Amino acid sequence: QSVLTQPPSVSGAPGQRVTISCTGSSSNIGAGYDVQWYQQLPGTAPKLLIYTNNNRPSGVPDRFSGSKSGTSASLAIAGLQAEDEAVYFCQSFDSSLSGAVFGGGTRVTVL
Amino acid sequence: QVQLVQSGAEVKKPGASVKVSCKASANTFTRYYIHWVRQTPGQGLEWMGIINPRDGSTTYAQKFQGRVTMTTDTSTSTVYMEIGTLRFDDTAVYYCARDLEICGSDGCYTENWFDFWGQGTPVTVSS
Repeated sequence: QSVLTQPPSVSGAPGQRVTISCTGSSSNIGAGYDVQWYQQLPGTAPKLLIYTNNNRPSGVPDRFSGSKSGTSASLAIAGLQAEDEAVYFCQSFDSSLSGAVFGGGTRVTVL
Repeated sequence: QVQLVQSGAEVKKPGASVKVSCKASANTFTRYYIHWVRQTPGQGLEWMGIINPRDGSTTYAQKFQGRVTMTTDTSTSTVYMEIGTLRFDDTAVYYCARDLEICGSDGCYTENWFDFWGQGTPVTVSS
């Protein structure tokens, strides 16, 4: 089981807005450690999508946004597009484990 | 410019060891730490440890201590991750990923996130 908890799947029609939750604990997200989000397309390595809670690397569309509150974080995808079909992972640091921790991944399906 | 290039797929028997390489660009080797993360169907993404490629200092996840060794070859800008005593549940795709080193008046630290990943190395443990 993953240290961070994500829903296994979410879906939405093209143009809709979907959100993915990521729940941690007092030793990771709740301790103030930043949350990152990665997008993984089939057969490829994860790609950084959001860093330090709500920042986008160059080239990532502004349809993607992140937020964090308490022991949880969220990724929102606005104006859903077919190319957004992928698995999305959240990631943070855990002080008890002294290393990075991940969510189990959420598969986004565009209906 | 591709930043991290990993070695090819491996098939090993239980009890054997495997060594995966990750060749970094010059900029990556001088400014970043390298993490190893594996992805299994059952466990998702799992952090294995981190190495400073410049001096070889390492930190391993508790789960892998004693069974994983991460090393560096500064002459070729390559880091290695070796797992010993392979088990069936070590079947996974192994990734290297870079993490920027930040140095200030209080010392140096890493950001603990990964801005670029290698392409992955599938390792299959099968009898």
